[in-house]
Amino acid sequence: EDQVTQSPEALRLQEGESSSLNCSYTVSGLRGLFWYRQDPGKGPEFLFTLYSAGEEKEKERLKATLTKKESFLHITAPKPEDSATYLCAVHPFFTGGGNKLTFGTGTQLKVEL
Amino acid sequence: NAGVTQTPKFRVLKTGQSMTLLCAQDMNHEYMYWYRQDPGMGLRLIHYSVGEGTTAKGEVPDGYNVSRLKKQNFLLGLESAAPSQTSVYFCASSYSKLAGGDTQYFGPGTRLTVL
Repeated sequence: EDQVTQSPEALRLQEGESSSLNCSYTVSGLRGLFWYRQDPGKGPEFLFTLYSAGEEKEKERLKATLTKKESFLHITAPKPEDSATYLCAVHPFFTGGGNKLTFGTGTQLKVEL
Repeated sequence: NAGVTQTPKFRVLKTGQSMTLLCAQDMNHEYMYWYRQDPGMGLRLIHYSVGEGTTAKGEVPDGYNVSRLKKQNFLLGLESAAPSQTSVYFCASSYSKLAGGDTQYFGPGTRLTVL
């Protein structure tokens, strides 16, 4: 069974204090790994897709990396506006069709002044 | 370009009542999905569609029905609402045929409370 585990569940940082969020996964074969940002009361907003081990993608203060067992979302010098829940999802090779994703439960990030 | 829209944004039902949630997308996406999100459970797939006129069951389909009569619309129905269906419902869509076409784009959600 495909599984996605995110850690920590919650993270509190001071502005400018860099850190990383972890997404570990177990799938029969990985077609893609996705990162989303979700603000309270809103729908998930797409951030990155990673397709192969060693791949990295960056957007502003965020950088996502991928290995064969896990992905990291690195946040460099975060600002209060980076506060949100970050969701990780995997697209396994064998889903029975439909490009179905398996989601983790998310990391709730709060960045304080 | 509105992306994925959902109506209504909020709804309160009594046990046993029925309702339909509407999802619309203007990105010409082939695939559409309905999820529910509950605290500590993550997003769970209810039903999905791989094209106009098709539907399929996801992880938690019981108590829900769906229809995709038009490519841009995906409807989620609750025939007899139960308190266990209190949740936030999200619709998503993806375009299957291009590189990166498995990226799902989400709507703003519908918060449903069943009393």
